[in-house]
Amino acid sequence: SQTIHQWPATLVQPVGSPLSLECTVEGTSNPNLYWYRQAAGRGLQLLFYSVGIGQISSEVPQNLSASRPQDRQFILSSKKLLLSDSGFYLCAWSGRETQYFGPGTRLLVL
Amino acid sequence: ILNVEQSPQSLHVQEGDSTNFTCSFPSSNFYALHWYRWETAKSPEALFVMTLNGDEKKKGRISATLNTKEGYSYLYIKGSQPEDSATYLCAFKDTGGFKTIFGAGTRLFVKA
Repeated sequence: SQTIHQWPATLVQPVGSPLSLECTVEGTSNPNLYWYRQAAGRGLQLLFYSVGIGQISSEVPQNLSASRPQDRQFILSSKKLLLSDSGFYLCAWSGRETQYFGPGTRLLVL
Repeated sequence: ILNVEQSPQSLHVQEGDSTNFTCSFPSSNFYALHWYRWETAKSPEALFVMTLNGDEKKKGRISATLNTKEGYSYLYIKGSQPEDSATYLCAFKDTGGFKTIFGAGTRLFVKA
């Protein structure tokens, strides 16, 4: 069966510091991968999606970036965090019909 | 710009009440409509995926309907229980197939 991992679970970072969130998927090959963010009091916002290694599509202009160095690895990064980057970040992979989400990372930027 | 709207934003009901929420989505280039249940500090959990106009799905006390021509879906909960308290998300997938656009969710609170 497929499993999706995210880490860390919780992160507190100062403004201006770098960020790296990692997501890995087991049990499937060549999945479509996604990064979402939920800001406080808001819904899920699609940040990036990837249909293959090295292929990244950005949905929202921001100071975040994503990379897919391996088939089942998806990384969300920032060189300098902003206060507005605080939120709950979810990685997901897409099956034929449904998206399956990781456990999420709660990021607080102070 | 694809937009998915959900209403109400939040809902407070008593245990035993039946309730329903609405999701509206673009009626063109429709591929699938998803409903998810999202508890605080957990991952969203898939409830239903519907692809055909007129689809009706049911899981226990929860059911959903789909109207692709007018672009709306309803989620119904019969006899709400405190454990039904969660955010219910709907999500639209178009014929492009790669992106799923989520609504902001309906936050349900069921009081015992």
